[in-house]
Amino acid sequence: DGGITQSPKYLFRKEGQNVTLSCEQNLNHDAMYWYRQDPGQGLRLIYYSQIVNDFQKGDIAEGYSVSREKKESFPLTVTSAQKNPTAFYLCASMGQPDGTQYFGPGTRLTVL
Amino acid sequence: AQKITQTQPGMFVQEKEAVTLDCTYDTSDQSYGLFWYKQPSSGEMIFLIYQGSYDEQNATEGRYSLNFQKARKSANLVISASQLGDSAMYFCAMREGGWTGNQFYFGTGTSLTVIP
Repeated sequence: DGGITQSPKYLFRKEGQNVTLSCEQNLNHDAMYWYRQDPGQGLRLIYYSQIVNDFQKGDIAEGYSVSREKKESFPLTVTSAQKNPTAFYLCASMGQPDGTQYFGPGTRLTVL
Repeated sequence: AQKITQTQPGMFVQEKEAVTLDCTYDTSDQSYGLFWYKQPSSGEMIFLIYQGSYDEQNATEGRYSLNFQKARKSANLVISASQLGDSAMYFCAMREGGWTGNQFYFGTGTSLTVIP
């Protein structure tokens, strides 16, 4: 089945550690996105990529990094520079022609 | 200014009744898309319905319909015959910049509770 997978579902990190969240899609979509959601809040854009080997910062990119070496994959690294990383992270890809974003199941990151 | 405004933090509806969730948007683009997503307690964002700015007819998908009033810049979601499984957060979103646009904005959401 076509879709977006994220792993792990839950992730615990000690302060000072970098962690990488996985996002894979088999929808053949060019554009992919990472969002952060805090409790009771909407979604905030971290990074997005329109095409392989290209990505742009979103509204809250500080303390995060991404790569886009393959069309199917868009991993997000939460670095130790991110001061408050505990949140729910959602990955999405965008389909054409209407530009609908489809989301993965999310990763819940907790810093201990 | 907020791109997407959802003014109802929480809503209650009786099972089998219809409910309208409000959404207003702000854009100067002529070409844009409007979306509604459902987020159950599991966290996944589920796409419900899409309305293009040039679509003259209101979008419908099963029990969901989008009441699109372009002049008022509103895109309200109507859920007919509510079911207990409809209890969730609902987010309105807008994509600017035409079909290749990457500027996507989300509202703060409305929590819907369906009462048996």
